[in-house]
Amino acid sequence: DIQMTQSPSSLSAAVGDRVTITCRASQGIRTYLNWYQQKPGKAPKLLIYAASSLQSGVPSRFGGSGSGADFTLTISTLQPEDFATYYCQQTYTISPITFGQGTRLEIK
Amino acid sequence: QVQLQESGPGLVKPSETLSLTCTVSGGSINNYYWNWIRQPPGKGLEWIGYIYYSGSTSYNPSLKSRVIISVDTSKNQFSLKLSSVTAADTAVYYCARKVVSPYYFMDVWGKGTTVTVSS
Repeated sequence: DIQMTQSPSSLSAAVGDRVTITCRASQGIRTYLNWYQQKPGKAPKLLIYAASSLQSGVPSRFGGSGSGADFTLTISTLQPEDFATYYCQQTYTISPITFGQGTRLEIK
Repeated sequence: QVQLQESGPGLVKPSETLSLTCTVSGGSINNYYWNWIRQPPGKGLEWIGYIYYSGSTSYNPSLKSRVIISVDTSKNQFSLKLSSVTAADTAVYYCARKVVSPYYFMDVWGKGTTVTVSS
């Protein structure tokens, strides 16, 4: 299985801050990397697919980059509604699809 | 737009079989991969498996011996059966659509349904 490791596991930031979350794969996955946002009691929401493509309707302050084994999700200017948990997901292998352990973004 | 809705019992007894259905509305079940994902309380996301509309399946090896996913295209539904459940199977279960061309990602999710395994 491909292991996905996110860092940090939790993060405190203020509205207006720039935030970066990192995801590392245990082997190269080209750009088969997606990012999801999950708020408490809600389903995950797709933000970024193919490492850097912004899903329709997602604000442009969200950005993704990387290829191979190292990836980042950047939120350029934090908004109050961005406080949530973020997950990376690899879809390079048909099975199993694996997720990172999540990064909880909290208000400072 | 496409919406997904999970349904099924919220309480299952240990050793019994968990059965859930996901109904696809606002679009066709054809030409996509349909997934089940679960999230134990306070934990992360675990992919369970998927079914293609044609019926081909793939399961997480960690659950493969206990999982069956099936599809009913006439009803625009797909289903999950997880046998011999234990307390460790207590989770929120989500269904999700996976796009596969040219990249693979889950763009539509159901709201999730909570399943508790307890006697």
